[in-house]
Amino acid sequence: DADVTQTPRNRITKTGKRIMLECSQTKGHDRMYWYRQDPGLGLRLIYYSFDVKDINKGEISDGYSVSRQAQAKFSLSLESAIPNQTALYFCATSAPEREAGELFFGEGSRLTVL
Amino acid sequence: GQNIDQPTEMTATEGAIVQINCTYQTSGFNGLFWYQQHAGEAPTFLSYNVLDGLEEKGRFSSFLSRSKGYSYLLLKELQMKDSASYLCAVMDSNYQLIWGAGTKLIIKP
Repeated sequence: DADVTQTPRNRITKTGKRIMLECSQTKGHDRMYWYRQDPGLGLRLIYYSFDVKDINKGEISDGYSVSRQAQAKFSLSLESAIPNQTALYFCATSAPEREAGELFFGEGSRLTVL
Repeated sequence: GQNIDQPTEMTATEGAIVQINCTYQTSGFNGLFWYQQHAGEAPTFLSYNVLDGLEEKGRFSSFLSRSKGYSYLLLKELQMKDSASYLCAVMDSNYQLIWGAGTKLIIKP
């Protein structure tokens, strides 16, 4: 079983719909992240959380929200999806600080907004 | 601003050696990371450099020069399975990772 699991793996939805992407991990890491990846662009950080009570905006948080339900669970929501949110979304975890650059990624959630 | 530059695409021959370069300008430096990403899959960690010099791990090596803001990933004895994108990322002074757009490596027989 994967250490970082994302659901759903693929989703097609319509403009204006609310979408939730879920992530769970068995790494025991406190730090969790949500990234999006678009062709020709680097990974862009949407939100990150260093523990259950700590939520931080990343580079491109507008139009997204997150919830850290437990150490092992971190979900990403699109309240009203729009076509330019079509992308590949990755959840990731890491150990603290000096080891924080070694990220463990989920398999990705491909979202298409029509 | 913060910036990571790497070539968009490279082509190499099976069995050969290829060097993928990465230059960076960031607010502070707490390490440089290389990741491999096969098409449609998640990135996986390859290497970490925080001091100047070469780190070797099997067929893959990574070099860092902090004064030049420069790193490279060296892949030896290329295999077809090495066809993938290679992502360079730098950890800045806030321990945030700044990512390059990735280099797509195509291996030809």
